[in-house]
Amino acid sequence: DAKTTQPNSMESNEEEPVHLPCNHSTISGTDYIHWYRQLPSQGPEYVIHGLTSNVNNRMASLAIAEDRKSSTLILHRATLRDAAVYYCILLYYGQNFVFGPGTRLSVLP
Amino acid sequence: EAGVTQFPSHSVIEKGQTVTLRCDPISGHDNLYWYRRVMGKEIKFLLHFVKESKQDESGMPNNRFLAERTGGTYSTLKVQPAELEDSGVYFCASSQERPGGGNSPLHFGNGTRLTVT
Repeated sequence: DAKTTQPNSMESNEEEPVHLPCNHSTISGTDYIHWYRQLPSQGPEYVIHGLTSNVNNRMASLAIAEDRKSSTLILHRATLRDAAVYYCILLYYGQNFVFGPGTRLSVLP
Repeated sequence: EAGVTQFPSHSVIEKGQTVTLRCDPISGHDNLYWYRRVMGKEIKFLLHFVKESKQDESGMPNNRFLAERTGGTYSTLKVQPAELEDSGVYFCASSQERPGGGNSPLHFGNGTRLTVT
């Protein structure tokens, strides 16, 4: 059901940038790209979303390929608190979220 | 603003018993969703309310599950009778508008961990 492909796991060192990739080769023109993350023992948390242009917010940046078939979530300086499972989800208006397995990010001190 | 709150945070019941989970969405959020993750599986959609109406209940596993949202405020999810395979974490989420664009992300609660023994 999930229309995205993400690596199962990634590692990063603390205070270094992290680039989390997501492939979505079957994306349609009306699909928004959403990123959520789930910290241990918490519910999923909104990170960022975009349609065509790159997006920045206080948590992260989202870089979207020109053909929109892939995107990258960028955490500019990873902290230990960023260790979580990150989900890349395609969504058009009115659709319900479909979660895949996501990428488990480990941050090493 | 207060976030989505769920009660209880943990529940341990025996097979055949009844359990009721409660979700209080963010005030003013018309859209309320229930999701769950059973052990080792991905988070799965259960159902979606718009105010007090069930918009989509295609994810409800069977008729042992009953969700209500009287008055369009808080919601309850009742499992009766509970089976072993119902064990997992049940998440509630709310949003102001339907997600999928715009600026209306889903806000999730921290979930209720249900253990059926």
